[in-house]
Amino acid sequence: AQTVTQSQPEMSVQEAETVTLSCTYDTSESDYYLFWYKQPPSRQMILVIRQEAYKQQNATENRFSVNFQKAAKSFSLKISDSQLGDAAMYFCAWYGSNYQLIWGAGTKLIIKP
Amino acid sequence: ETGVTQTPRHLVMGMTNKKSLKCEQHLGHNAMYWYKQSAKKPLELMFVYNFKEQTENNSVPSRFSPECPNSSHLFLHLHTLQPEDSALYLCASSQERGGGNEQFFGPGTRLTVL
Repeated sequence: AQTVTQSQPEMSVQEAETVTLSCTYDTSESDYYLFWYKQPPSRQMILVIRQEAYKQQNATENRFSVNFQKAAKSFSLKISDSQLGDAAMYFCAWYGSNYQLIWGAGTKLIIKP
Repeated sequence: ETGVTQTPRHLVMGMTNKKSLKCEQHLGHNAMYWYKQSAKKPLELMFVYNFKEQTENNSVPSRFSPECPNSSHLFLHLHTLQPEDSALYLCASSQERGGGNEQFFGPGTRLTVL
């Protein structure tokens, strides 16, 4: 069965610095999607970034970028120039042939002013 | 209103009560989802509806009963719940069930079962 592991329950970073959140997954499929979602305190979950497994190029969205290592089944999220508004729970998720998102347990990101 | 809305935002109920959670999406999507979110655990998918038809039921106890009268509305009917059912219940929608489409989430209903 597919699993998603986020090994860092909590991370902290100084404002304006860069932080990387880790995610690994287990699957035997070759075609799938990977996502990072963000859930700010008491606010709605929103998509941060999406990666299609058949694309070798790493996805980027402004200050957010991923390091997708397909062979290693690793999908880390890098946040550059961290801002106070980046404080949130970050969830990694995998989507494949079962048509369901498989989620990690989340990483709480704390931004220090 | 825009996006995905959920009511009520907070609900406290006894184990013998019957209540319903409501979700509405204003995005013209065809797939809707119920998730259970418990602290420090991955989101658990409960039910999926695609074009009003239920496509997934992930071994959810029968005390949870979904209803999808149209593509815009989704309900979760609750009865004789247990304290371990206390959690944040999230509704989400996407353009359709397949294709790795982005899911759009509502703010959730914080449920406490006494």
